[in-house]
Amino acid sequence: GAVVSQHPSWVICKSGTSVKIECRSLDFQATTMFWYRQFPKQSLMLMATSNEGSKATYEQGVEKDKFLINHASLTLSTLTVTSAHPEDSSFYICSARGTGPEAFFGQGTRLTVV
Amino acid sequence: KQEVTQIPAALSVPEGENLVLNCSFTDSAIYNLQWFRQDPGKGLTSLLLIQSSQREQTSGRLNASLDKSSGRSTLYIAASQPGDSATYLCAPGRGAQKLVFGQGTRLTINP
Repeated sequence: GAVVSQHPSWVICKSGTSVKIECRSLDFQATTMFWYRQFPKQSLMLMATSNEGSKATYEQGVEKDKFLINHASLTLSTLTVTSAHPEDSSFYICSARGTGPEAFFGQGTRLTVV
Repeated sequence: KQEVTQIPAALSVPEGENLVLNCSFTDSAIYNLQWFRQDPGKGLTSLLLIQSSQREQTSGRLNASLDKSSGRSTLYIAASQPGDSATYLCAPGRGAQKLVFGQGTRLTINP
């Protein structure tokens, strides 16, 4: 299957700082990328959908000014958690889809805000 | 709004058993359904994708079936192994639209 690389795999940051997470499709062009958040022992919660070159579509209840998503190229999307607080600590996962129906996921990023 | 339910929530069986994981969804207007596995602290690995026109899809010891009209899919795992221990998630999809996930089935295969 296609490969989606997410970086970093884990990050610890101080409260009030911003953190950027990258998601790259390594061997295909991702027309659509999705960002999910997952709490312990729970399923994935979709945060936003982004298409290359256009603004992301955020799910209800997700603060777009806090979770900045950029999908500047067909192989890269970034999620920036701005002014992070301890309640933002979570597992963030990206997913990418090319021209086919199958979605491929990154390895996830464990964010801890202290 | 699509809602996905997976039963059972957790399953623990001895190695070698054949087992079935169930997935049901409320909106049958789907184009496909994907099964994933997630290991602790990791992302999702795609296992199988069934198109809405298909009834079954097989990959190795895994077989997934889809009954779109009744809103059900099953994942059959043959001759289970300890390495199969993971959380299994199903997600019905509609083209380029977002996937909706169930809570998953946490599977433990005991040696």
